[in-house]
Amino acid sequence: EDKVVQSPLSLVVHEGDTVTLNCSYEVTNFRSLLWYKQEKKAPTFLFMLTSSGIEKKSGRLSSILDKKELFSILNITATQTGDSAVYLCAVSDSNYQLIWGAGTKLIIKP
Amino acid sequence: GAGVSQSPSNKVTEKGKDVELRCDPISGHTALYWYRQSLGQGLEFLIYFQGNSAPDKSGLPSDRFSAERTGGSVSTLTIQRTQQEDSAVYLCASSLAQFIPHTFGSGTRLTVV
Repeated sequence: EDKVVQSPLSLVVHEGDTVTLNCSYEVTNFRSLLWYKQEKKAPTFLFMLTSSGIEKKSGRLSSILDKKELFSILNITATQTGDSAVYLCAVSDSNYQLIWGAGTKLIIKP
Repeated sequence: GAGVSQSPSNKVTEKGKDVELRCDPISGHTALYWYRQSLGQGLEFLIYFQGNSAPDKSGLPSDRFSAERTGGSVSTLTIQRTQQEDSAVYLCASSLAQFIPHTFGSGTRLTVV
C-alpha cells in the first residue's frame, strides 16, 4: 500500500532557529513530491520536486528530493513566527492521485 | 474567480440530515478534487473530476457520499444521512490539468451533532 510518512509530527523552536522537516514515501509509479503549507484551512503550494538532488529554493525555504532513498526534506532557515503552520508532504503517482502525509505541526516561539 | 471558492465555510448539522457542499473552482481549471481532512490528519482523497471524463470516485468512503460537477465548473459534494464520523474539513482544489499543483479552497468545516 502506498504511504507517505512525515516526521516529526510536531516541532517547537525559537525564532531564528533552522528547522528540517522530513518526508519519506513508498509509492509505486512515483511522479513527483509536493510540499504545502497549511496555516488555517487551505494548504498553499510551496514546492514540487521531480528530480533527485536538485534543490528548490524560495527565500528562506528550500527542499530537496532523494529518489534512491525515497525521501525529501524541507528546510526553513532563520525561522519567523509567521512560519508557524502545518507542513504537508504529498506524492503524486502516475494516476494523478496525491498520497498525503499527516503533516508536521511547526510552532515558532518568539 | 481569483481563487477556489467553497461554501459554506462552516456547517453544523444533525445526525441523519443531508448536506450539500459547494466548490467553485478557478475559471479554466479542468481538474477538480475533493478531499477530507479529519483533525490532525492528512488529506484523504474523495473524488476527482477531469474535464468531461467520468469522475474517479474511488475515494468516496460510502454510498452516502456523491458529487457532481455541472458544466465543467461548479461542483457539489452531497453527504446523505450524515454520521458523526463525517465531521471533518472538506477541501476542494482545482488545477489547470493533471499533475499540476492544486490550488485549494478554504474548505468547509462540517460538524455533525
